[in-house]
Amino acid sequence: AQSVSQHNHHVILSEAASLELGCNYSYGGTVNLFWYVQYPGQHLQLLLKYFSGDPLVKGIKGFEAEFIKSKFSFNLRKPSVQWSDTAEYFCAVLSSNTGKLIFGQGTTLQVKP
Amino acid sequence: DTEVTQTPKHLVMGMTNKKSLKCEQHMGHRAMYWYKQKAKKPPELMFVYSYEKLSINESVPSRFSPECPNSSLLNLHLHALQPEDSALYLCASSQAETGVFSEQFFGPGTRLTVL
Repeated sequence: AQSVSQHNHHVILSEAASLELGCNYSYGGTVNLFWYVQYPGQHLQLLLKYFSGDPLVKGIKGFEAEFIKSKFSFNLRKPSVQWSDTAEYFCAVLSSNTGKLIFGQGTTLQVKP
Repeated sequence: DTEVTQTPKHLVMGMTNKKSLKCEQHMGHRAMYWYKQKAKKPPELMFVYSYEKLSINESVPSRFSPECPNSSLLNLHLHALQPEDSALYLCASSQAETGVFSEQFFGPGTRLTVL
């Protein structure tokens, strides 16, 4: 069965600290991977995506993610977080033949000023 | 236009009411989706429409009734809801050429409260 696992449920960092959020997936087909962010009271926004090609993907707001096929992982990174990065982060895998987007449970990131 | 719009933004309804949520996109996408999201939880897929036909129903109770009148519009009709149905309802759309679904674009959602 398809699934996405996010290891960190709640992360607290100080501003300027580096961030890495873990994401592992289980899916047998062609892998399309996403990271979404949801700021408090706001809607889901796409941070970055991986469909094919360079496994290091750069997204908006200084975020990047690396697809490691051998580890079934797609971890999200940012070298230096800001208070404004406080939000809920979701990793997701897309089944391209059904359209089902399977989300991980999410990670709450709290950045202290 | 790369937006998915949803109306209303907020909806409060009683358990005996009938209401509808609306979603619209003008990106030429042929797949549209309804998700339900509880606070601090990931969105849960409810329905998928592909070329105006229902392709996935994730065992959603019949008090939720989707409708896709044309390729740009998606409705969710609500009737006899329960308080536990209170949530953020998200609509999304994507391309679906030759049976291959691509990246989904999400709307801002309708926050539903059932009293």
